[in-house]
Amino acid sequence: QVQLVESGGGVVQSGGSLRLSCAASGFNFDYFGIHWVRQSPGKGLEYVSFIRQDGSDKYYVDSVRGRFTISRDNSKNTVYLQMNSLRAEDTAVYYCAKDLRDSYTFDYWGQGTLVTVSS
Amino acid sequence: QSALTQPPSASGSPGQSVTISCTGTSSDVGAYDYVSWYQQHPGKAPKLIIYEVNKRPSGVPGRFSGSKSGNTASLTVSGLQAEDEADYYCSSYAPRNIFVFGTGTKVAVL
Repeated sequence: QVQLVESGGGVVQSGGSLRLSCAASGFNFDYFGIHWVRQSPGKGLEYVSFIRQDGSDKYYVDSVRGRFTISRDNSKNTVYLQMNSLRAEDTAVYYCAKDLRDSYTFDYWGQGTLVTVSS
Repeated sequence: QSALTQPPSASGSPGQSVTISCTGTSSDVGAYDYVSWYQQHPGKAPKLIIYEVNKRPSGVPGRFSGSKSGNTASLTVSGLQAEDEADYYCSSYAPRNIFVFGTGTKVAVL
């Protein structure tokens, strides 16, 4: 079955960096794009970033563009989110989600990893 | 891109129906038939329940249905059950290859 497992969250000071990982299994990883979505404590969902299956296209929401970098290693079935210049407002649970091809839909989600940026 | 607007809460008794609206603009909800809905129980990850406005993934009960008119999409839960008590979020594809989520609706089963 499809499984996505995030890791790498933790507490970091404002201005610091963190790298999140999303390890995938149970599907042909090479064939699907992966998204990152975040949720601040007690708040709603916010879209963060997307990487195409071959890494050829990457998209970011305006609030993280220039600070976050998405990448993937298809040999390890893993997507990464490098987060630099972190701000208090980046505090959230970060979910990775599998893209349902040609459907602009997140069909499977990981359990999330919590990032806390302390000021 | 602003968040899509959903009512903060909705409720119904077991067996009743509840409909949640999701209002966007002519640049997102009104422009694409790529509206999806997600159910989230407390402390859990979101789960896809409707995609492309009105399609149900395998395993999602038929009591969940979706529709769209103009800039507003809707999710209807018919025959409410206790396990339907959760937060619900809509999402739409938006310009510049990003997505926008709704503000979320907490559904209570009375």
